[in-house]
Amino acid sequence: NAGVTQTPKFRILKIGQSMTLQCTQDMNHNYMYWYRQDPGMGLKLIYYSVGAGITDKGEVPNGYNVSRSTTEDFPLRLELAAPSQTSVYFCASSRDSDNSPLHFGNGTRLTVT
Amino acid sequence: RKEVEQDPGPFNVPEGATVAFNCTYSNSASQSFFWYRQDCRKEPKLLMSVYSSGNEDGRFTAQLNRASQYISLLIRDSKLSDSATYLCVVNKGYGGATNKLIFGTGTLLAVQP
Repeated sequence: NAGVTQTPKFRILKIGQSMTLQCTQDMNHNYMYWYRQDPGMGLKLIYYSVGAGITDKGEVPNGYNVSRSTTEDFPLRLELAAPSQTSVYFCASSRDSDNSPLHFGNGTRLTVT
Repeated sequence: RKEVEQDPGPFNVPEGATVAFNCTYSNSASQSFFWYRQDCRKEPKLLMSVYSSGNEDGRFTAQLNRASQYISLLIRDSKLSDSATYLCVVNKGYGGATNKLIFGTGTLLAVQP
């Protein structure tokens, strides 16, 4: 059982480049999330989805986009990378929204220079 | 005041010691509380939920003090494998909606041989 799988693990981008962080889960969870984690800061929610076809902004959505065409996949898109987007990105899923534990992927370390 | 505040540590303790972490939260309406564990350069994983009556899981005990708005985590008989960062997570609204989770910055525990 793979759980939540993120790719790539590492990436270096130049300013202005774009990329997609992939996330897939095989637990049939309805809820999926993208977080970023910066040194000395708690995880911040970027976007989340309560089911296929439904997405909503979290706390720090600017500079990102998401889509949820299937239950399994929840990719995160960076259109014009900026140094402020250098961070560790975690995708997560949960069975539902009522106190369910979050299952995190391994993370993507992104550097924008 | 931060929504969720933790002592960043590090807490350096010898094997076998008992160690306790506190976490304060600012929203008195918060209903759900959790401790997650995050190993170095890894994803967070749920350690335990925190219930009003307090709860225990082996060497780990979690307590909630609503009057003073803090939760605590007690680790007895510390093992080397307990070395990690412990994240306090609080739901900032009514109910348990996972998109309303606030993550603390974490407390680093280093158990020494």
